[in-house]
Amino acid sequence: QQPVQSPQAVILREGEDAVINCSSSKALYSVHWYRQKHGEAPVFLMILLKGGEQKGHEKISASFNEKKQQSSLYLTASQLSYSGTYFCGTEKTSYDKVIFGPGTSLSVIP
Amino acid sequence: NAGVTQTPKFQVLKTGQSMTLQCAQDMNHEYMSWYRQDPGMGLRLIHYSVGAGITDQGEVPNGYNVSRSTTEDFPLRLLSAAPSQTSVYFCASRRRGGSNYGYTFGSGTRLTVV
Repeated sequence: QQPVQSPQAVILREGEDAVINCSSSKALYSVHWYRQKHGEAPVFLMILLKGGEQKGHEKISASFNEKKQQSSLYLTASQLSYSGTYFCGTEKTSYDKVIFGPGTSLSVIP
Repeated sequence: NAGVTQTPKFQVLKTGQSMTLQCAQDMNHEYMSWYRQDPGMGLRLIHYSVGAGITDQGEVPNGYNVSRSTTEDFPLRLLSAAPSQTSVYFCASRRRGGSNYGYTFGSGTRLTVV
């Protein structure tokens, strides 16, 4: 079952912060986060395993709440290069397929 | 390393034709998957594989076949192309297990069925 992402789209000015949420109705083993720029392939940002860990990647970090089956991606002090569509992908077990959400379009303007 | 290589990059097919999209990776990754992405849409899983000789269906498998005879290659076959299969197709691979192993995607194949 496809995870739900919110918001669908967000527009930020440089330097502003954003949060993108991903939730599932099923128990999850892991949550992946990817960014895709227009006309390009998705690029892996980070993966979080059940256990409620939080990970960081430059000014982009994420958390995973195992009890709520929710993950959030935090983008701080946004830069123009952060523009793109962000996808979360979920796995139910460690040997399972990764199902992606519909994506969140993020636009950073000067 | 070349990473994940997809061929062709562009293809136009007539309705009813068949073809194979090629995907090869040189990273010795166990997991490989095929996704399709329609305009303004997310990534929908077609088929996936957790190792040579093992494949399984994803969300939208109808009209597609796969096989995984080697770790490196994971071709996707369109049996009888239909206009609804017009899409961008991405192949992706990753290592098994661990908290740092996300998918590496190929550059995609843009397929148009007329």
